[in-house]
Amino acid sequence: NAGVTQTPKFQVLKTGQSMTLQCAQDMNHNSMYWYRQDPGMGLRLIYYSASEGTTDKGEVPNGYNVSRLNKREFSLRLESAAPSQTSVYFCASILGEQGRQYFGPGTRLTVT
Amino acid sequence: GQQVMQIPQYQHVQEGEDFTTYCNSSTTLSNIQWYKQRPGGHPVFLIQLVKSGEVKKQKRLTFQFGEAKKNSSLHITATQTTDVGTYFCAAPTYDMRFGAGTRLTVKP
Repeated sequence: NAGVTQTPKFQVLKTGQSMTLQCAQDMNHNSMYWYRQDPGMGLRLIYYSASEGTTDKGEVPNGYNVSRLNKREFSLRLESAAPSQTSVYFCASILGEQGRQYFGPGTRLTVT
Repeated sequence: GQQVMQIPQYQHVQEGEDFTTYCNSSTTLSNIQWYKQRPGGHPVFLIQLVKSGEVKKQKRLTFQFGEAKKNSSLHITATQTTDVGTYFCAAPTYDMRFGAGTRLTVKP
């Protein structure tokens, strides 16, 4: 099993550009999450999907959209990137509610 | 909303010294999780505590959950260079809340 995979690993964008971060898990987990990690801020939840077909806002959803394409895949889209979105983005999944989270390797995004 | 506060933000120790990080919640928690993130890596699950007053050990790591289920701690005995990283507590609710983390550095 590959676990949780994320693409790309690194990305540099210019202000105003758009992009989609991809996440996939092969563990048949129901819930998936997107976080951003900034120095000294820990992990902050952007969006989550408790099950296929549902998505909900987390702590910092502004400037992002998500799609739960199927049970395996959960994508994060930046429609118009801003320098404040420079961060490391992690995707995670869990089997049931409140279980342990499995994290992907992360995407390091820089917006200039 | 629910807040999870973690202290200290940084801790630098000499190899062999002990280390403790503390996590406090503004509300009663159903359970709490701990994760470790190595430099440049991703968070990795360490443990989950569920019961009031629960204490669990993993080799040199001791995890505690407070009686009121509002606080938790992670204690490492006799740190080693392999313990370097950032330790996070997390409160699983409908939306997971993480503490800001404690970054541990160990001087050989």
